[in-house]
Amino acid sequence: EAGVAQSPRYKIIEKRQSVAFWCNPISGHATLYWYQQILGQGPKLLIQFQNNGVVDDSQLPKDRFSAERLKGVDSTLKIQPAKLEDSAVYLCASSLIRGSTYNEQFFGPGTRLTVL
Amino acid sequence: QKEVEQNSGPLSVPEGAIASLNCTYSDRGSQSFFWYRQYSGKSPELIMFIYSNGDKEDGRFTAQLNKASQYVSLLIRDSQPSDSATYLCAVRGLNTDKLIFGTGTRLQVFP
Repeated sequence: EAGVAQSPRYKIIEKRQSVAFWCNPISGHATLYWYQQILGQGPKLLIQFQNNGVVDDSQLPKDRFSAERLKGVDSTLKIQPAKLEDSAVYLCASSLIRGSTYNEQFFGPGTRLTVL
Repeated sequence: QKEVEQNSGPLSVPEGAIASLNCTYSDRGSQSFFWYRQYSGKSPELIMFIYSNGDKEDGRFTAQLNKASQYVSLLIRDSQPSDSATYLCAVRGLNTDKLIFGTGTRLQVFP
């Protein structure tokens, strides 16, 4: 079974530029998550999708971040314009069952973003 | 107060010893508790989950949960150098899939 795929793996941009990340979840996983992990910290949830609908985007900085999951499979996360503090690893995760006591989230390899 | 707290470490233990990793959480309504291992430069991978008070064992790993004290721990028996990684504690509340992660504890197992 293929895991969660993400691209690109690394991205370096200058502040005020825009950037987009792509994620393809595990086949059949209806729930998709985007996390931000700043160096030395744990992952922080930015947005959760159930199929192509948003379940939770309470911690997404909506003035600069946007995400979509058209057709309920692939997802893109965009930052426009980027700030220095956006430098982090952006992790995509997916899970099969929503709302159960045990709901394992499988993480992709992440995209390491550096904003100069 | 942080929602999920962990000692950042590093926790250094000799090979073959027991490593004890601790985590406290602030939300009494939390339902499920997860331990993820993250090697440097890699993504988190699930080691164990627990949702009932008491102990849960899986191979060399034992998770312990005490909801009254809002405390969850992970014991690693017969620690190996390959166990050297950052261990993330994650907590899930009621009626949500959202995981709240701690900052992680870095474990170093030396030969």
